[in-house]
Amino acid sequence: DAGVIQSPRHEVTEMGQEVTLRCKPISGHDYLFWYRQTMMRGLELLIYFNNNVPIDDSGMPEDRFSAKMPNASFSTLKIQPSEPRDSAVYFCASSFRGRMNTEAFFGQGTRLTVV
Amino acid sequence: AQKVTQAQTEISVVEKEDVTLDCVYETRDTTYYLFWYKQPPSGELVFLIRRNSFDEQNEISGRYSWNFQKSTSSFNFTITASQVVDSAVYFCALKEVGNTDKLIFGTGTRLQVFP
Repeated sequence: DAGVIQSPRHEVTEMGQEVTLRCKPISGHDYLFWYRQTMMRGLELLIYFNNNVPIDDSGMPEDRFSAKMPNASFSTLKIQPSEPRDSAVYFCASSFRGRMNTEAFFGQGTRLTVV
Repeated sequence: AQKVTQAQTEISVVEKEDVTLDCVYETRDTTYYLFWYKQPPSGELVFLIRRNSFDEQNEISGRYSWNFQKSTSSFNFTITASQVVDSAVYFCALKEVGNTDKLIFGTGTRLQVFP
């Protein structure tokens, strides 16, 4: 398996533009997590899904952020409109619960810069 | 409430010294998992260990060892004979498997190992 795949790896955009981050979880995993990492706030959980259903989005900073998981193999995190303070590394992770609660496997992250 | 505290923000040691990274957690669940991840300068998050709440056995893997104590809600990580390649940010994380299944991270400890 190729692991969790995120795209793009780097994104530079202008303030006010829409940004879409993409994630392909590991096949068979039933949990998907979106995190944001900044120097000031560390690793923050934004939202997580179980079997494609959003379970907890209390970490989403504001209405400009939205996340979807239309199927088991794809998720998006959208920021519209983007602002400079959204600049961060965004990680996607997936895990499998089942009988053995596995660790979360992380993608390489998307480094977002909003200018 | 679910919480992970890593009180040490940064630790500096000289190569071959032993170093212990502290992790204290809070949870209301009786069933949970604890994790340690390493984030080297390249930025990816690398899984190191998973421990469930019913298994208090300490674990050793090479130069790494983990001390899980439910009585003090701690899951500390020790690196023996540290090496320069151990320089990274280390994160402790907690996943409750009751109501939430959230995976929450501590703020991380930056370890610098000098030659």
